[in-house]
Amino acid sequence: NAGVTQTPKFRVLKTGQSMTLLCAQDMNHEYMYWYRQDPGMGLRLIHYSVGEGTTAKGEVPDGYNVSRLKKQNFLLGLESAAPSQTSVYFCASSPPDRRNQPQHFGDGTRLSIL
Amino acid sequence: AQTVTQSQPEMSVQEAETVTLSCTYDTSESDYYLFWYKQPPSRQMILVIRQEAYKQQNATENRFSVNFQKAAKSFSLKISDSQLGDAAMYFCAYRMSVGNQFYFGTGTSLTVIP
Repeated sequence: NAGVTQTPKFRVLKTGQSMTLLCAQDMNHEYMYWYRQDPGMGLRLIHYSVGEGTTAKGEVPDGYNVSRLKKQNFLLGLESAAPSQTSVYFCASSPPDRRNQPQHFGDGTRLSIL
Repeated sequence: AQTVTQSQPEMSVQEAETVTLSCTYDTSESDYYLFWYKQPPSRQMILVIRQEAYKQQNATENRFSVNFQKAAKSFSLKISDSQLGDAAMYFCAYRMSVGNQFYFGTGTSLTVIP
């Protein structure tokens, strides 16, 4: 079972470049999330989606955009990368109708902005 | 926004001994869900244990158990008979009974000493 798959796993960008991180889940989950993880700060929510075609801002949305054109995919875009966006990015998904169910996470993407 | 506090950035334990990781949270809700995740150096986020707030009985999963004190808004994780493979970052997470977001603490890095 693939679960949640993130691509790429590693990426180095120059300041000002753009890129898209892809998250794909095969569990038919309605909810999907993008987090960033920084030392000493835990996981902070960037954006999330409660279903195909819907997105919402989380705690730290500035500098990022997202799209959920298909239920199984959730894309995170950086239009003009900045060094402050150097982080490990995690995608997660969860079913909406069973609240005691945890989120299922991808393996993360390590992104470095030079 | 809800807050989840893990006051111990780092902890260590001797192999085969018991260690307790603390977590407190701030909420005005009466119904919610709590989770502990383990993140080893591989970066995977692995669910360790979960607790529904309406259940008074503390959850247990093999060597892992929780001490859930609802009135004190405390959710500590006890690891018994610690093993080298328990070395990881541990995150506490909270989810309301309604709404779509999970809230994470900043994590506790656990070292297991042989």
